[in-house]
Amino acid sequence: ILNVEQSPQSLHVQEGDSTNFTCSFPSSNFYALHWYRWETAKSPEALFVMTLNGDEKKKGRISATLNTKEGYSYLYIKGSQPEDSATYLCALPLANDMRFGAGTRLTVKP
Amino acid sequence: DTGVSQDPRHKITKRGQNVTFRCDPISEHNRLYWYRQTLGQGPEFLTYFQNEAQLEKSRLLSDRFSAERPKGSFSTLEIQRTEQGDSAMYLCASSASGTGVGNTIYFGEGSWLTVV
Repeated sequence: ILNVEQSPQSLHVQEGDSTNFTCSFPSSNFYALHWYRWETAKSPEALFVMTLNGDEKKKGRISATLNTKEGYSYLYIKGSQPEDSATYLCALPLANDMRFGAGTRLTVKP
Repeated sequence: DTGVSQDPRHKITKRGQNVTFRCDPISEHNRLYWYRQTLGQGPEFLTYFQNEAQLEKSRLLSDRFSAERPKGSFSTLEIQRTEQGDSAMYLCASSASGTGVGNTIYFGEGSWLTVV
């Protein structure tokens, strides 16, 4: 069974703080890792697809790194804003579907 | 908007009733997925279609659940004799060619089901 773990489960930060959270996965048979952002009442939105060990991807104030040898990915948000409040999901593709972690729920207080 | 659309967005039903959800994927996508999400969990795979063929079903999909994609376009997910444990968000997603490297699946906004 492929277990995808995310931590912390929830996070509260002040506007302007930088933050990061973790996605852990089995390092064997790694193929790719997807990060999604899911705002309340909206559809999950794809952020990054990461494939290579050492990958670093950036989109505005959000960036992600990947370590396939030790089985983790970090998502960083620099200078958090209230609009960053969302649940951040990571997922690993299987043969025909995606295996998701439980997500990290981020709340950014003004 | 040409994204994945789902209907209804919210459904409250009495235990024992049947409910049906509809999903319209992105038009050029041949793969369509159904997921279920409950509080504190990530989305859990239920089933997927390639065109009109249902190619995989999760063990989560009991015999009370049935999904169809009759013409390879929209899909329906029906739950018969609903139980309180069926209360969840049902997410539909579509993709052009599966979950391979570089292929993203695109989600709808989900259909919330509450069974009372």
